[in-house]
Amino acid sequence: DTGVSQDPRHKITKRGQNVTFRCDPISEHNRLYWYRQTLGQGPEFLTYFQNEAQLEKSRLLSDRFSAERPKGSFSTLEIQRTEQGDSAMYLCASRYPREYPGELFFGEGSRLTVL
Amino acid sequence: SQQGEEDPQALSIQEGENATMNCSYKTSINNLQWYRQNSGRGLVHLILIRSNEREKHSGRLRVTLDTSKKSSSLLITASRAADTASYFCVTRPGGSNYKLTFGKGTLLTVNP
Repeated sequence: DTGVSQDPRHKITKRGQNVTFRCDPISEHNRLYWYRQTLGQGPEFLTYFQNEAQLEKSRLLSDRFSAERPKGSFSTLEIQRTEQGDSAMYLCASRYPREYPGELFFGEGSRLTVL
Repeated sequence: SQQGEEDPQALSIQEGENATMNCSYKTSINNLQWYRQNSGRGLVHLILIRSNEREKHSGRLRVTLDTSKKSSSLLITASRAADTASYFCVTRPGGSNYKLTFGKGTLLTVNP
């Protein structure tokens, strides 16, 4: 499968714990996005990478959230000291650089449940 | 905040009928995209329409764009039960170079 892959697909954690999600984009895609989606809502933008550079970050993202893309390939999203309000689906998407804004290719998401 | 607003929030039709969903947005755009999301799954790109286009077709999908009214519509003809999903319009709001913003979506249910 050459699509966008995310890991883990499901994560249950206790409040206060740290969690990390990984996204592997399609190999030719240098643009990568993270979104968060809660039940009944559309995805909300979290952050954007072009290669390894994090070019935009939502004001929704508190200091407990950090994202990296160290070599311009896979990306990680870490949430420190999780809160119940962090429970959501975390979606990763990537796209070709040829056209802005081009088609986004999404992974299946990582569902986080904070108890 | 949401840039696009889809209308209606929910739509229920019978198989074979046509489904129309609307999207209104706030700022000028380069283009507008529509995505589909099956329950609990990732999103799939359906169609992209550029700001200088008024109508575009792809299979059973027809999209229109009216930049003067800042609105778009998605028509699915001859719907099937497999079309049951949430549909989102996606735009880039003013003031952002990269952020693509989704609306809240229209939940379409196609009854067999």
